Amino acid sequence: QKEVEQNSGPLSVPEGAIASLNCTYSDRGSQSFFWYRQYSGKSPELIMSIYSNGDKEDGRFTAQLNKASQYVSLLIRDSQPSDSATYLCAVGDDKIIFGKGTRLHILP
Amino acid sequence: KAGVTQTPRYLIKTRGQQVTLSCSPISGHRSVSWYQQTPGQGLQFLFEYFSETQRNKGNFPGRFSGRQFSNSRSEMNVSTLELGDSALYLCASYQAQGADTQYFGPGTRLTVL
Repeated sequence: QKEVEQNSGPLSVPEGAIASLNCTYSDRGSQSFFWYRQYSGKSPELIMSIYSNGDKEDGRFTAQLNKASQYVSLLIRDSQPSDSATYLCAVGDDKIIFGKGTRLHILP
Repeated sequence: KAGVTQTPRYLIKTRGQQVTLSCSPISGHRSVSWYQQTPGQGLQFLFEYFSETQRNKGNFPGRFSGRQFSNSRSEMNVSTLELGDSALYLCASYQAQGADTQYFGPGTRLTVL
């Protein structure tokens, strides 16, 4: 059974600080990794994808992948109250497996 | 370009009934995946369709089924509803394969009484 694990939170971060979200996965053969953001009552939206070891930056977001440790993370710099949401880690190449999500709360 | 649409948005059924949910993908997208989201289990993969063929299936009982039409629209059906089927059912569409261009619809909130 392929699994994706995330800390459910809530993770509380002061406005302007760096929020760090983490995810581990069980399928060592996975090649595709994604971070989705889901606001309460809304559907998930893709914010980052990463396929190679290392860092990938997009604006205030940085995804980090370490396949040897089966670990993927998302950093959000200069956190804003609008970043308050549940962040879902997803792993897989054909069948996408989602973690249960980490609730992030940015404190004004 | 219009987004993914799902109908109905809300549905209330009783145990033992069956239900059909509909998903219209973004124009040009040929793949559709269905997910069930509950507070306890999170987002769980149901099945994926591409060009009217089921390409992948999750670990759900046979009461859950789906199909895709030639215009890429998809339906999922749940027969003999159980209380535990109460959930948000999400459809996602993408061009061919892979989640990089995957876009979710607003979901159908199913309540089973």
